[in-house]
Formats: sequence, C-alpha cells, structure tokens
Amino acid sequence: QQQVKQSPQSLIVQKGGISIINCAYENTAFDYFPWYQQFPGKGPALLIAIRPDVSEKKEGRFTISFNKSAKQFSLHIMDSQPGDSATYFCAASTVRSGYSTLTFGKGTMLLVSP
Amino acid sequence: NAGVTQTPKFRVLKTGQSMTLLCAQDMNHEYMYWYRQDPGMGLRLIHYSVGEGTTAKGEVPDGYNVSRLKKQNFLLGLESAAPSQTSVYFCASSYKGGTEAFFGQGTRLTVV
Repeated sequence: QQQVKQSPQSLIVQKGGISIINCAYENTAFDYFPWYQQFPGKGPALLIAIRPDVSEKKEGRFTISFNKSAKQFSLHIMDSQPGDSATYFCAASTVRSGYSTLTFGKGTMLLVSP
Repeated sequence: NAGVTQTPKFRVLKTGQSMTLLCAQDMNHEYMYWYRQDPGMGLRLIHYSVGEGTTAKGEVPDGYNVSRLKKQNFLLGLESAAPSQTSVYFCASSYKGGTEAFFGQGTRLTVV
C-alpha cells in the first residue's frame, strides 16, 4: 500500500516558469511533510518541510502548500532555473510517535529548459 | 564534518556472492537507515536502527541483513546476491525518528 502518492512522474518547465509537484497521503497520523531534492549521482537532501499546523511555508523560491482536509501537499518552485533540474521526493512521517520513519513518494524528475 | 559516508561507491557482484556495505555518520545520530532506489520506485526502506545494538525491518528487507554494533556505523549485508538486488543503495541518519534524514552519496551495486 503506497501511503504517499506523488505526481507527476516527470515535468518539463521553461526557465522562469512555475514548477508544481503534488503529493497525497492517506495516514492522518502523519505530522511532518518534507521535500527532498536529489541531483544526479548524489544523495537526496532536505529542501523544505512543513508541519500540519500551517497551510503554507516559503523559503526563497520554494513554497510548500498544505491542505489538511484534502490530505494533500504540494511544492511550488517559482522562477524555475536550469539549476533546479533534479529529482524531487515528497515524504511524510509521524514525528510525535518517536519511532517513525519517513515514507517517500516515488519522485518527480524536473527538467528546466533554458 | 563528513556527515554520512558510504563505502564502496561502486561494486559489481556475481550472482550468489556476498558483500557488506558500510555506512558511517559523525553527527551522533540515533537513527540510521538503509534505502534502495530503483527507477520509478522512489526510495524504499530496507532496514533501520533506532540506536546502537538495535535493528528493524523496513518495507523491503528480504535478502538483506544489517548490524549496528557501534552508534556511528550501520552495515548492510547481502548474503547471496541476486540480479534483483541491482540498485543504488543509500544510507541515511537522523537525530530522531521521522525527522530530517541526512543521506550519503550512495552505492551503485550491479549483480550480474
């Protein structure tokens, strides 16, 4: 059972455009929703994360929008740049349980064309 | 500060051979994880550890064993490699369960 569903699988955006990646979850116990960025040949690295007590979090050009009632969250990359070309993973966990692990989506390959 | 270091970075095995992947972290993290990454499948948890001397099964544990004899090290073993274990393996660590995980650079394993 896939607990975190991510879409689209791949995305091509022109430079300066907005990239949007969506995730949906099923487990209402999840209380931590991070996004990871992975460049080819590298390990994933935390990009931005949100807790369910807020509906939006912004860090520079990256914004997470969170909809608790719909059990969905999304990553928006404003003014997308070729350097943003990477694979993006959403994830979810239950931090308050003390013994949780991250459940990852299947990833989105983003290509920003010059 | 090296973070999470994996060795080796590349390896080719013949079917039936065994090997051990080593992961070391210098952040004094309690939690350590082994994931495998396959095209279109995302990151799948193999095994994890919540502290020195502990191990637990993840989503895809079959064919793998792990040990955490020291807090800073987490070993992943393949007893009898199969072509289905061809993958990129990532080790990660975190201070607390389910929080920010720091990943190593990965090990690309090919089983022929």
